[in-house]
Amino acid sequence: NAGVMQNPRHLVRRRGQEARLRCSPMKGHSHVYWYRQLPEEGLKFMVYLQKENIIDESGMPKERFSAEFPKEGPSILRIQQVVRGDSAAYFCASSPWRERNIQYFGAGTRLSVL
Amino acid sequence: DQQVKQNSPSLSVQEGRISILNCDYTNSMFDYFLWYKKYPAEGPTFLISISSIKDKNEDGRFTVFLNKSAKHLSLHIVPSQPGDSAVYFCAASLDNTDKLIFGTGTRLQVFP
Repeated sequence: NAGVMQNPRHLVRRRGQEARLRCSPMKGHSHVYWYRQLPEEGLKFMVYLQKENIIDESGMPKERFSAEFPKEGPSILRIQQVVRGDSAAYFCASSPWRERNIQYFGAGTRLSVL
Repeated sequence: DQQVKQNSPSLSVQEGRISILNCDYTNSMFDYFLWYKKYPAEGPTFLISISSIKDKNEDGRFTVFLNKSAKHLSLHIVPSQPGDSAVYFCAASLDNTDKLIFGTGTRLQVFP
């Protein structure tokens, strides 16, 4: 009964490189959410996806960031041309269709941009 | 625009006593509220939630109270245990959206 799985747990990138963060939701969950937490702050919503659909990307920066949740495989959060300000903890959450308000979180990916 | 506020960054409580964590919100349209607990280097863990149609929800040692007129909710933990030491986040959502709006967290320390 695995929970939400995120990998890698830690990711180090140099400025200008690409970062790819992966998230596998809990079994039976069809909704995936991505949040970002900057140091000493709360979690900020980025994007909400269902299989093959982006439902709400109102929290996603307009440039360099993209997300997908393909029919097969994990959800991917992609950050192109990373900058130091992208350094943060990125959390993925999932929820079942009938209990959409309660989201279950993965352990996060800590991105460090050098 | 911080719609969910946790004004106490930290709280220290003796083991066995009650811990009360507070949360205020500004958007009267929020209709569902949640509390999460977070240990360092881990993801938030869901604790307890409450719908806006209720004013209290209880689950074991955890009770959440909602005061809609004051736009205030609180989490009571009794009795507090050392394992409760963590950062607690309050979150809110709107029925027609699925995103959670989080507060900045309160760090609870329970000492022996």
